[in-house]
Amino acid sequence: AQTVTQSQPEMSVQEAETVTLSCTYDTSESNYYLFWYKQPPSRQMILVIRQEAYKQQNATENRFSVNFQKAAKSFSLKISDSQLGDTAMYFCAFMKHGASNTGKLIFGQGTTLQVKP
Amino acid sequence: DTGVSQDPRHKITKRGQNVTFRCDPISEHNRLYWYRQTLGQGPEFLTYFQNEAQLEKSRLLSDRFSAERPKGSFSTLEIQRTEQGDSAMYLCASSLSSSGYTFGSGTRLTVV
Repeated sequence: AQTVTQSQPEMSVQEAETVTLSCTYDTSESNYYLFWYKQPPSRQMILVIRQEAYKQQNATENRFSVNFQKAAKSFSLKISDSQLGDTAMYFCAFMKHGASNTGKLIFGQGTTLQVKP
Repeated sequence: DTGVSQDPRHKITKRGQNVTFRCDPISEHNRLYWYRQTLGQGPEFLTYFQNEAQLEKSRLLSDRFSAERPKGSFSTLEIQRTEQGDSAMYLCASSLSSSGYTFGSGTRLTVV
């Protein structure tokens, strides 16, 4: 079975600074996706960034980038130039990839990020 | 298309009552998922439909829970004889492939 662990329940960062959220996972699969989702207070969950395990290059989406270490099973999210609108709960998630994949996501416990002015 | 819609947004019910939630996915999405999220935790998978077929159910989905997706369009999640432990946010998501979801805003259930 796959597990996803986020060991930082809460973090804070000053506006315009950089922050890194940690995520580790455990799987015996060789082909999978990893995701970071953002859930603002009382709002719907939205996809921040996605990484395919077979790709060595780390994914980047504007101010958001990941550090994917496959051997270490680590998948951290770096937010650069933090903005007040980045305040949210962030979830790391795992999905198996392949012909039999149902698309089920396994989520971590989440990290609450507060960006301070 | 306005995304994934869930109705109602909030539901307060007395213990022992039955409740039903509805999810309208993005129209061209053939995959539909239900998740349950308790306060301060990550969502947990409940069930998955591909078109009208329910292809996977979590063991979290006890016999008091049932989900349907008639005609492969909207889906309903029913909870019978609700218990206080059922209080949670119920999230619906849809996708066209396995690599990306669109989530709805969720239905928050409070059992009193």
